[in-house]
Amino acid sequence: GAVVSQHPSWVICKSGTSVKIECRSLDFQATTMFWYRQFPKQSLMLMATSNEGSKATYEQGVEKDKFLINHASLTLSTLTVTSAHPEDSSFYICSGGGDRAYEQYFGPGTRLTVT
Amino acid sequence: KQEVTQIPAALSVPEGENLVLNCSFTDSAIYNLQWFRQDPGKGLTSLLLIQSSQREQTSGRLNASLDKSSGRSTLYIAASQPGDSATYLCAAQGNKLTFGGGTRVLVKP
Repeated sequence: GAVVSQHPSWVICKSGTSVKIECRSLDFQATTMFWYRQFPKQSLMLMATSNEGSKATYEQGVEKDKFLINHASLTLSTLTVTSAHPEDSSFYICSGGGDRAYEQYFGPGTRLTVT
Repeated sequence: KQEVTQIPAALSVPEGENLVLNCSFTDSAIYNLQWFRQDPGKGLTSLLLIQSSQREQTSGRLNASLDKSSGRSTLYIAASQPGDSATYLCAAQGNKLTFGGGTRVLVKP
């Protein structure tokens, strides 16, 4: 149980375009979903926390107008990278908060390459 | 602000040797401490979760200890195998989950 999927698993887009990444909790309801970014050979950095039906809370230094997060249902959250630039190329990982307090279940990640 | 540090950043051992991976955190007010494995280009695989009230957790060849007062956790992997080669991340759960930089492990056959 507690499976999280992400789609797509990898995406290449041109500079200036927008790309949407989906995160789904397949067998549980995720009241809270988290989005992380990981640059090559670096650790995961929390970008934002989203609660179903409300606006996401962004970490300091993360542009909320560039990284649009929508958490419209208990099983789906989306991250849209708007006007992507090469420096946005990264590995994006989502996680869903389960029933037990302070436990997160991680998705497999999405590799974004902006050319 | 919680800071999590993992030392060493990289480790290479011959097959069969025991692995010792260290993790330190600055804020002892945590709910749990987690260890993950990450293969290149892949997501996270949860290995062990130690609740703040616990001292250690074991799963097969893996054993993780937690000393909240000193802000340290150690992951032991017994009798390492080439398949254990990966990056190991620890993460401290406070108000948010804070990750260390990871230890890249190479087990040579």
